Amino acid sequence: DAGVIQSPRHEVTEMGQEVTLRCKPISGHDYLFWYRQTMMRGLELLIYFNNNVPIDDSGMPEDRFSAKMPNASFSTLKIQPSEPRDSAVYFCASSITGGGRNTEAFFGQGTRLTVV
Amino acid sequence: GDSVTQMEGPVTLSEEAFLTINCTYTATGYPSLFWYVQYPGEGLQLLLKATKADDKGSNKGFEATYRKETTSFHLEKGSVQVSDSAVYFCALSGDRSGGSYIPTFGRGTSLIVHP
Repeated sequence: DAGVIQSPRHEVTEMGQEVTLRCKPISGHDYLFWYRQTMMRGLELLIYFNNNVPIDDSGMPEDRFSAKMPNASFSTLKIQPSEPRDSAVYFCASSITGGGRNTEAFFGQGTRLTVV
Repeated sequence: GDSVTQMEGPVTLSEEAFLTINCTYTATGYPSLFWYVQYPGEGLQLLLKATKADDKGSNKGFEATYRKETTSFHLEKGSVQVSDSAVYFCALSGDRSGGSYIPTFGRGTSLIVHP
């Protein structure tokens, strides 16, 4: 398997524009996570899905953020409208449960978002 | 809820020095414990893990032992190299007995190794 695939790797956009980040998890994994990483706040969990169903979105900072997982092989994180304070690296990760435990999370390479 | 506390960095060492990065945790049940490493410009990747008390995880010369009595999982390496310079994250995820499947990460510790 190619691992977790995120696109784009880099995104530069103007304030007020819509941004869509994409993620393809590892096949067969039943959990998908979206994280945001900044120097100030470290690694923050934004939302996670189990079997394509959103379970907890309490980490989503504002209503400007939304995430979907229409099927087991694709998820999107959308920011509309974007603001400069949204500039960060966004990671997608997936994992699989088995034997009453979760495996380690497998991370994508991340999308570096810059909002100017 | 679950939490992970790791020492703040940066940790700066000379090549071939001994490394310890401390990690302690709070969790219900019997969590699995992990160390991840993040190289510049990349995502986090698993370095090692341990799933039960007294287990030792090891990889690439790094080791960590699951100590339930002290709720700790300290990362060690006997002789670091310049190529080990990265950010290291301690993490846990729970088990079916009551913990959360959702991984909980520490803040990360930056390691800088000088030649």
